[in-house]
Amino acid sequence: GAVVSQHPSRVICKSGTSVKIECRSLDFQATTMFWYRQFPKQSLMLMATSNEGSKATYEQGVEKDKFLINHASLTLSTLTVTSAHPEDSSFYICSARRPQVNYEQYFGPGTRLTVT
Amino acid sequence: AQSVTQLGSHVSVSEGALVLLRCNYSSSVPPYLFWYVQYPNQGLQLLLKYTSAATLVKGINGFEAEFKKSETSFHLTKPSAHMSDAAEYFCAVSSRRAGNMLTFGGGTRLMVKP
Repeated sequence: GAVVSQHPSRVICKSGTSVKIECRSLDFQATTMFWYRQFPKQSLMLMATSNEGSKATYEQGVEKDKFLINHASLTLSTLTVTSAHPEDSSFYICSARRPQVNYEQYFGPGTRLTVT
Repeated sequence: AQSVTQLGSHVSVSEGALVLLRCNYSSSVPPYLFWYVQYPNQGLQLLLKYTSAATLVKGINGFEAEFKKSETSFHLTKPSAHMSDAAEYFCAVSSRRAGNMLTFGGGTRLMVKP
């Protein structure tokens, strides 16, 4: 149990366009989901925390108008990178938390975004 | 504030040798501690976790870790390395005071030589 999926696994987009990444909890309801960014050979950096039905909480330095997060249901959160630039190219990983086990996060497989 | 330090960004061992990946944490309250493994272009897979029960925690793939409060450590070990263990390993800490938010260490890349 506690499976999290992400779609797409890889995406290439042109500079100036927007791209949406989906994060789904497949077999549990996730009241809280997290979005991380990982640069090559580095650790994970928390971008934002999203709670179902409310606005996401962004970490300091993360542009909320650029990285739009929607957590519309208990099993789906989306991250939209707007007006993408090459420097947005990165590996994006989501995670989800169950209310019954709120000290643990379950991670998705990640999405590789390349902006050309 | 909580933090994690992983000593050694790269560790190289021979196949069959002991694996030891070091993790020290800082937390003002009892922590939850985790070890994750990440293979190239994949997400994080939980190896094991400490949640205030037994201090010696056994995980998947033959890994184990021991919580030592006096040393604020949670080192990861495996008696005999396999080639398939080559990956990036992350130690992470969370606590109720921190809202159960995860703080990751910088990661350790494990290389296994034949």
